[in-house]
Parts: sequence; C-alpha cells; structure tokens
Amino acid sequence: GAGVSQSPSNKVTEKGKDVELRCDPISGHTALYWYRQSLGQGLEFLIYFQGNSAPDKSGLPSDRFSAERTGGSVSTLTIQRTQQEDSAVYLCASSLLGNNYGYTFGSGTRLTVV
Amino acid sequence: DQQVKQNSPSLSVQEGRISILNCDYTNSMFDYFLWYKKYPAEGPTFLISISSIKDKNEDGRFTVFLNKSAKHLSLHIVPSQPGDSAVYFCAASGGSQGNLIFGKGTKLSVKP
Repeated sequence: GAGVSQSPSNKVTEKGKDVELRCDPISGHTALYWYRQSLGQGLEFLIYFQGNSAPDKSGLPSDRFSAERTGGSVSTLTIQRTQQEDSAVYLCASSLLGNNYGYTFGSGTRLTVV
Repeated sequence: DQQVKQNSPSLSVQEGRISILNCDYTNSMFDYFLWYKKYPAEGPTFLISISSIKDKNEDGRFTVFLNKSAKHLSLHIVPSQPGDSAVYFCAASGGSQGNLIFGKGTKLSVKP
C-alpha cells in the first residue's frame, strides 16, 4: 500500500485478556519497528525486524509481549494478559533496508485496558 | 536512563516569530539525528535530519543545528505558522543501536 497501515485504530479490552495488533508495512520495506507512546511519554522502542535476521526484542517490557513478522511483510504484536499499564498508543513504522532515517509511521493503535 | 532528552514539554510562540526546540543526548556514538512532527491521532512524520559531520542543515523554514561538543541539537522554525502546532520529537541513531531513540517530545503551540 501507499503507507503503513495499522489495525485496529482503537481497541478497548478488559484486564487479563489477550490482544493482537496488526501492522501492514509499505511494500518493499525490509525493516519494521514497533514503538509505543504512553500518556506523557516519548516513543518507547519495543521490537525491530530487519529482513530475515533475528528480531531485536530488547525493548519488549515483559514476556507478556511478543511479535512476529510473517513472510517479511505483515507484523502482529501480541500482548497477553493485558494490564492497565499497557494502555498506550502502539505505533508501527517501516523503512527501506533498515535505513534509520527513512521511517514511515502508521497512525497507531490506541489500546485502552479497563 | 534517557539517551535523548527534550527538557521542555511545551512551547508557545506567536505567529511569525521564531520557534526554537532543543534536544540533548548522552551517547557519543550517535551519528545521525532527526526531527519528527506529530499531529494528534496521526503517526509521526519525518521533518528534517542532520549527520554528525555537519553542524547545520536547512530546509525552507526549518533549520537544525548540531553542537557535538555539547551533545546538543536544536530545531529552528522561522517564521512560525499556526499549522506548525504539533508535538516535535527529536531522535538519534548510531553505535550499536539498530533503531531510532526518541525523546519525550515538545508540544509547540503557535498562536495567531
């Protein structure tokens, strides 16, 4: 597609439930990143996929968080047993060849855990 | 520990005047710096960048200055316009980082 697409745009879930957030990157972009922005905070790095290399998971805040990228394209971020502190806007970005200065962000998924 | 710091959470400027947004970093291995702009309910969009081999980069109304010895960069917007009202994020890359490191952002309000 023309841009990075994220779905859903908004998600309200009950504490303890699992959620899946989807990111469809720009076609041909080999690098894909997940960030989150909590209220009053900056963009917190979560995970980074580059081509067929093992993902950099160093930013994932706990083992309840996981992500996969199928076929080098679509990515899914899964949060298990959601907690209220997981409430945030989850942003996905893609770039060509892992180019740090070519990020294109999606509009994000606003997750609210009640 | 924050590697990229934007110490001013907000800034208010009159239309037509200069806006100056500041950013400090701690990692001397950073070699590329970027500014992103974010409107509500949208993802951040790239605005301007600068390599560590330069001390200034200009693009229209936007200029980024880099002071490596002070580990400081700033974004100047002149003249400021109401449409510039947004949150501005400073970001850095380099060293062992495979991803951009972002600051907490500065919310700019340009008053007509």
